[in-house]
Amino acid sequence: RKEVEQDPGPFNVPEGATVAFNCTYSNSASQSFFWYRQDCRKEPKLLMSVYSSGNEDGRFTAQLNRASQYISLLIRDSKLSDSATYLCVVNPQNSGYALNFGKGTSLLVTP
Amino acid sequence: NAGVTQTPKFQVLKTGQSMTLQCAQDMNHNSMYWYRQDPGMGLRLIYYSASEGTTDKGEVPNGYNVSRLNKREFSLRLESAAPSQTSVYFCASSEGLATYEQYFGPGTRLTVT
Repeated sequence: RKEVEQDPGPFNVPEGATVAFNCTYSNSASQSFFWYRQDCRKEPKLLMSVYSSGNEDGRFTAQLNRASQYISLLIRDSKLSDSATYLCVVNPQNSGYALNFGKGTSLLVTP
Repeated sequence: NAGVTQTPKFQVLKTGQSMTLQCAQDMNHNSMYWYRQDPGMGLRLIYYSASEGTTDKGEVPNGYNVSRLNKREFSLRLESAAPSQTSVYFCASSEGLATYEQYFGPGTRLTVT
C-alpha cells in the first residue's frame, strides 16, 4: 500500500461549485498533514496545514480523520483560478525532512 | 526577495554526460532539499541538507551527488546521466527540518537522450 494515496481525478466542476478531495495515508503514527497546490508546470506551494481540529482559510476547509487515516480538502464557491493539482502531504514520523507527497488530484474549474 | 532560484530551467543531455543543477535561496533558511517529479509519481526526495555542512540521502539518491556550498546554495550533480534521470527537478528550502513549510524553486526540466 502506498504511503499517501489520492484520487488523481480530474475533477471537472463548474464555477461556483463545491468540491471535495480525500487523501488516505498508511502510517498511523503520522503527525503532520498538509495540502500543497501545484499549477501546471510550476512548483508546489503550501496551501494549508491540516490540524486535528480541522481548519478553514476562506473558501478552503481541511479536515483530519485519524481513526480512518484520511484527510480532506473542501473548496467552496470554486473559482477558475482554483484549477490546479492539489497534493496531499504527510510527515510520517514527525521527522522534519521526510515529507511524503501524494501524486496529486487534478481540479479543473470551468466557466 | 527572489525566494528559491534554480538554474538552468531546461537542459538536454546525452547518456553519460555530466551536469550540475544549481539552487540558491535568499530566505536565510537552514535546510535545503532536492526532489524529482515524474509523471504519475509524487515528489521524491533525492538528497537533503539539514544545515550548512551536512547532507543526507533521501529516498532516491542513486546516480546523484550534492554539495551544500554555503548556507544559500545547494547543488545537485549527475555524474553520468541516464535516460531514467529524465525528470523535473525541484529544489526547496525551509527554516529547519522541524519546519514543515518548504518553499520550492521553479524547477529544472531535464531530458536525457
